[in-house]
Amino acid sequence: DGGITQSPKYLFRKEGQNVTLSCEQNLNHDAMYWYRQDPGQGLRLIYYSQIVNDFQKGDIAEGYSVSREKKESFPLTVTSAQKNPTAFYLCASSRSGVTNQPQHFGDGTRLSIL
Amino acid sequence: DAKTTQPNSMESNEEEPVHLPCNHSTISGTDYIHWYRQLPSQGPEYVIHGLTSNVNNRMASLAIAEDRKSSTLILHRATLRDAAVYYCIPLWFGNEKLTFGTGTRLTIIP
Repeated sequence: DGGITQSPKYLFRKEGQNVTLSCEQNLNHDAMYWYRQDPGQGLRLIYYSQIVNDFQKGDIAEGYSVSREKKESFPLTVTSAQKNPTAFYLCASSRSGVTNQPQHFGDGTRLSIL
Repeated sequence: DAKTTQPNSMESNEEEPVHLPCNHSTISGTDYIHWYRQLPSQGPEYVIHGLTSNVNNRMASLAIAEDRKSSTLILHRATLRDAAVYYCIPLWFGNEKLTFGTGTRLTIIP
């Protein structure tokens, strides 16, 4: 079945460490997105990419970095500059260039600081 | 971006219809109204979207007020699997970036 795979499901990080969250899709979608969700809150956009080798900052990009070297993959790195990284991270994809196409989400990665 | 107002929580009995309201009085003429839902510990799931006319799909119906300042998501026969947080999101034509509020937490009573 086509879909979005995020790994790992749970991730623990020590203070001062960078950590990379994986997101892979086999839906042949051009656009991919990273969101952050804090307890009891809605999702906030971190970064998005509408095409390979191109990406834009979302509303809360500070302390995060991304790459888009392949259409299928959009990894997110949480750097040590992110002061409050504990959150639920969600990756999504959609057909780009076609208005109002729904976004398809993975099941997320929960990141915690040790 | 248009602002939305949704009830924080709602309850409904299993096998009964559920009407989830959303107020979006600042919506512009080109904003589509999207609905997503998020089950516990999962990513959001697209439900339905519309512009002016009422819309139906296999999951739900969307009733949009004539002045477009509000809309209602209708689940025709709620099941326990419909327990989730439901988000109403205006999205202007050509914009692909979703802005999530806090949504409505729907509880289904067996």
